[in-house]
Amino acid sequence: DTGVSQDPRHKITKRGQNVTFRCDPISEHNRLYWYRQTLGQGPEFLTYFQNEAQLEKSRLLSDRFSAERPKGSFSTLEIQRTEQGDSAMYLCASSRGQTSFNYGYTFGSGTRLTVV
Amino acid sequence: AQTVTQSQPEMSVQEAETVTLSCTYDTSESDYYLFWYKQPPSRQMILVIRQEAYKQQNATENRFSVNFQKAAKSFSLKISDSQLGDAAMYFCAYGNDYKLSFGAGTTVTVRA
Repeated sequence: DTGVSQDPRHKITKRGQNVTFRCDPISEHNRLYWYRQTLGQGPEFLTYFQNEAQLEKSRLLSDRFSAERPKGSFSTLEIQRTEQGDSAMYLCASSRGQTSFNYGYTFGSGTRLTVV
Repeated sequence: AQTVTQSQPEMSVQEAETVTLSCTYDTSESDYYLFWYKQPPSRQMILVIRQEAYKQQNATENRFSVNFQKAAKSFSLKISDSQLGDAAMYFCAYGNDYKLSFGAGTTVTVRA
């Protein structure tokens, strides 16, 4: 069990550029989640996958955001035409089983995005 | 939507002493989970303790314990025998089905 891995750890990009983040969940976890955390605040839910199916998207996830989880393994989160308001830490988490909270809901270390 | 409120932005405690962090939440559900997470400067959210709403007994994990008052929708965390390594941001979270809703956090500093 190597934990939830996120790449990159830091990303600095110019406004208007596209960025993509990757999350590798714990191998036996079938559920994967993305959260966004702005400075001094708690994380906010963005979206959730069960296997390869994206089952919920928060209203925080504007049309510029897209997430995928091909083959139910790793996931990517892409932000198009980045804006300064997108600067935040993007956290990924994974869990297994039919009930998310019974078998561990494990977070990665996050990707910190800075839009300049 | 569920809301989680942490009314203490910062708390300071002397090493070896006890500190209690407050959390209240709002929900119309009867079955849910409550959590305390620790986030040190390394950024990774680490689960400290978990409480299932249907269990009346308060959860305990070594030096960490909770006071769960379901009717009052209150869920406080007590850290006993505080250690320097306990210094971090602590988040209270509400979980229902698959989604976590977090409070704004409490920064805990430990004085040597």
